[in-house]
Amino acid sequence: EAGVAQSPRYKIIEKRQSVAFWCNPISGHATLYWYQQILGQGPKLLIQFQNNGVVDDSQLPKDRFSAERLKGVDSTLKIQPAKLEDSAVYLCASSYRVDTGELFFGEGSRLTVL
Amino acid sequence: SQKIEQNSEALNIQEGKTATLTCNYTNYSPAYLQWYRQDPGRGPVFLLLIRENEKEKRKERLKVTFDTTLKQSLFHITASQPADSATYLCAPHTGGFKTIFGAGTRLFVKA
Repeated sequence: EAGVAQSPRYKIIEKRQSVAFWCNPISGHATLYWYQQILGQGPKLLIQFQNNGVVDDSQLPKDRFSAERLKGVDSTLKIQPAKLEDSAVYLCASSYRVDTGELFFGEGSRLTVL
Repeated sequence: SQKIEQNSEALNIQEGKTATLTCNYTNYSPAYLQWYRQDPGRGPVFLLLIRENEKEKRKERLKVTFDTTLKQSLFHITASQPADSATYLCAPHTGGFKTIFGAGTRLFVKA
């Protein structure tokens, strides 16, 4: 079974530029999550989708971050404009159902903002 | 606000010993709690899930306990090996099915 795919693995940009990350979850998984992990910290939930609807985006900085999940499969997370403090690893995870607990994570996309 | 605390200091143990990691949470009552392992540069990997009505769960060399009165979970690795060296993340599930992670505890197992 293929795992959660993310790209790009690494991205370096200047502050105020924009960046987009892509995630393809495990086939059949209805729930998709984007987490931000800053060095030395645990993953912080940014947004959670159930199929193509948003379940929770309370911690998404909506003035600069946006995310969508078209057709309930792939998802894109965009940052525009980026700030220095956005330097982090962006992790995508999926699960079969929102109440089954176990999350399957991708390898993450490491963003460096200069 | 909801808070999760894990040992902030790294845990160094000798191969063959039992590693015990602590997770404390405050201001909520999770229906279940998960433990994940994260290696450097990789995404977290699910290890175990324990529900609020379970006191203990085992999987091979791993054992997790869940004390809802103390609001604490303990994660044990018995007969530890250098390959067990990683960061271990605690993730109590909140109402609304949101999974929040602790900062993690780094474990180093010396040969």
